[in-house]
Amino acid sequence: EAGVVQSPRYKIIEKKQPVAFWCNPISGHNTLYWYRQNLGQGPELLIRYENEEAVDDSQLPKDRFSAERLKGVDSTLKIQPAELGDSAVYLCASSSGLRSSYEQYFGPGTRLTVT
Amino acid sequence: EDQVTQSPEALRLQEGESSSLNCSYTVSGLRGLFWYRQDPGKGPEFLFTLYSAGEEKEKERLKATLTKKESFLHITAPKPEDSATYLCAVQGWNYGQNFVFGPGTRLSVLP
Repeated sequence: EAGVVQSPRYKIIEKKQPVAFWCNPISGHNTLYWYRQNLGQGPELLIRYENEEAVDDSQLPKDRFSAERLKGVDSTLKIQPAELGDSAVYLCASSSGLRSSYEQYFGPGTRLTVT
Repeated sequence: EDQVTQSPEALRLQEGESSSLNCSYTVSGLRGLFWYRQDPGKGPEFLFTLYSAGEEKEKERLKATLTKKESFLHITAPKPEDSATYLCAVQGWNYGQNFVFGPGTRLSVLP
């Protein structure tokens, strides 16, 4: 079974430029998460989707970040414009949401460097 | 608000030297506690889920235990390939399926 797929793996951009990250979750997983992980810290949730609905985006900086999950499968996270402080690893995770398996499965992440 | 702390921040062991990592949590109603392993440049890899105090799970040289306030990840006779960052996360009943992660413990096992 294929795991969570993310692209690109690395991205270097100048500040004020836009950037987008793509995620394809595990097949059949209805719940999708975007996290940001700074160096030496645990992942922090940005947004959670149940199918195509964003059910928790309270931690998403909405002035510059946006996300979408069309058709309830793939998802895209966008930053526009990027700031120096946005440099981090952006992780996507998915879960089945079933009572028997709340665990989340993570992709390899996208390492963003803003110069 | 749910909170998770982990100790120590970093741990160096000799190969074969057993030890334990600690995860202390505050949550209003624990739905589950999760352990992950993260290698450099990779996403977290799921290890265990614990749901209630007294529960234990084992996988190779790792054993996770849970009390009402903390969880331990015991590493028995570690090998260099066990070197990684170990993350703990809690899921409370008040925040849907959201996880709150701790900062992790960086484990180095020297040959």
